[in-house]
Amino acid sequence: GDSVTQMEGPVTLSEEAFLTINCTYTATGYPSLFWYVQYPGEGLQLLLKATKADDKGSNKGFEATYRKETTSFHLEKGSVQVSDSAVYFCALSESNTGNQFYFGTGTSLTVIP
Amino acid sequence: ETGVTQSPTHLIKTRGQQVTLRCSSQSGHNTVSWYQQALGQGPQFIFQYYREEENGRGNFPPRFSGLQFPNYSSELNVNALELDDSALYLCASSSGQTILNTEAFFGQGTRLTVV
Repeated sequence: GDSVTQMEGPVTLSEEAFLTINCTYTATGYPSLFWYVQYPGEGLQLLLKATKADDKGSNKGFEATYRKETTSFHLEKGSVQVSDSAVYFCALSESNTGNQFYFGTGTSLTVIP
Repeated sequence: ETGVTQSPTHLIKTRGQQVTLRCSSQSGHNTVSWYQQALGQGPQFIFQYYREEENGRGNFPPRFSGLQFPNYSSELNVNALELDDSALYLCASSSGQTILNTEAFFGQGTRLTVV
């Protein structure tokens, strides 16, 4: 079945540090890949997505590249800010159905000044 | 602000009872999905409704049921509550039938505690 595995947290970084959150997936078909972010007290928000192999999603300085050969979609940011503190979820949705997300367990990020 | 509102925000129920959770979507969003997020876990898909018809279901027993109404509101009903049903329940809405080409907007969730 389909599944997503994320690196475990929590992750604590100093402001302006480089961020990588690892995400690998297992899919039976041709999935689209997503990163969602959950800020404290808020619902999940789409951060970025990629729909096919080698696509790069980017938003707010975050990037992730869809790597079919390694079944990965790692999230990166060159310089994190305190405002990036949140829980990050990697997810996939199969192209043949497109009616549900398979989420990872989430990675909590805290950025300290 | 995602435009998706869930109520109530918190709820405590006794094992064996029934509960109804509500979601109000943005106007024009014909698709609503419900997810269960246990503590420390990622959201798990319960089911999706498209234009008031069920359009996919995850690995949840029949005591989890739903309704979608023409006014873009929806309900999640859970019968015979069990302790393991304690979780954050998330509603997500989108304008398309799939979540591949249209963004899904999530509510803040309802925290259900079963005692």
